[in-house]
Amino acid sequence: GQSLEQPSEVTAVEGAIVQINCTYQTSGFYGLSWYQQHDGGAPTFLSYNGLDGLEETGRFSSFLSRSDSYGYLLLQELQMKDSASYFCAPYNQGGKLIFGQGTELSVKP
Amino acid sequence: GAVVSQHPSRVICKSGTSVKIECRSLDFQATTMFWYRQFPKQSLMLMATSNEGSKATYEQGVEKDKFLINHASLTLSTLTVTSAHPEDSSFYICSASSPIGWGYTFGSGTRLTVV
Repeated sequence: GQSLEQPSEVTAVEGAIVQINCTYQTSGFYGLSWYQQHDGGAPTFLSYNGLDGLEETGRFSSFLSRSDSYGYLLLQELQMKDSASYFCAPYNQGGKLIFGQGTELSVKP
Repeated sequence: GAVVSQHPSRVICKSGTSVKIECRSLDFQATTMFWYRQFPKQSLMLMATSNEGSKATYEQGVEKDKFLINHASLTLSTLTVTSAHPEDSSFYICSASSPIGWGYTFGSGTRLTVV
């Protein structure tokens, strides 16, 4: 089976930095991905970590520690449009993408 | 590139009828597609894996006779909700592994309302 844990809600102000943590348990683990979903929309791919360490893509960065079965998504210079749900999703041997419960990020002015 | 088109975006149907949802990969071939269901304020739940030219693989608890999946070509997968009931009202989304990079590409989703 697979289990994922991430905070259900996070609130931050514009311009701030927020970190969304994800711990996972899954077999045949390849790497950890992150997706963003705005209310009523489809998920969009943000990042993927296949190796330990930090991956940076513009204002978003993602980190993975395989030994700790832990990763996080770091959002910098928060903007109102970043208000959305964020999901971590491990890639595993089966090729299926299973999502966690997601973290709802609210960015306040 | 790597666009997945899903239709219809919204559908309202009467209880007991069937509804077909189409998912097309527009600029790449997708031998495998995935179907998800999402209830309000909840996560995406994987329903089944659609394999071109073979039977779909359903997740535990998903009724294969109720949610019929057909993947007859490398660019089209369909999900048919048969004998729909109000509890089937949900947001249905398809996805495919993108040929570009590591991400999965999602369709825009279909909001089904059964009345």
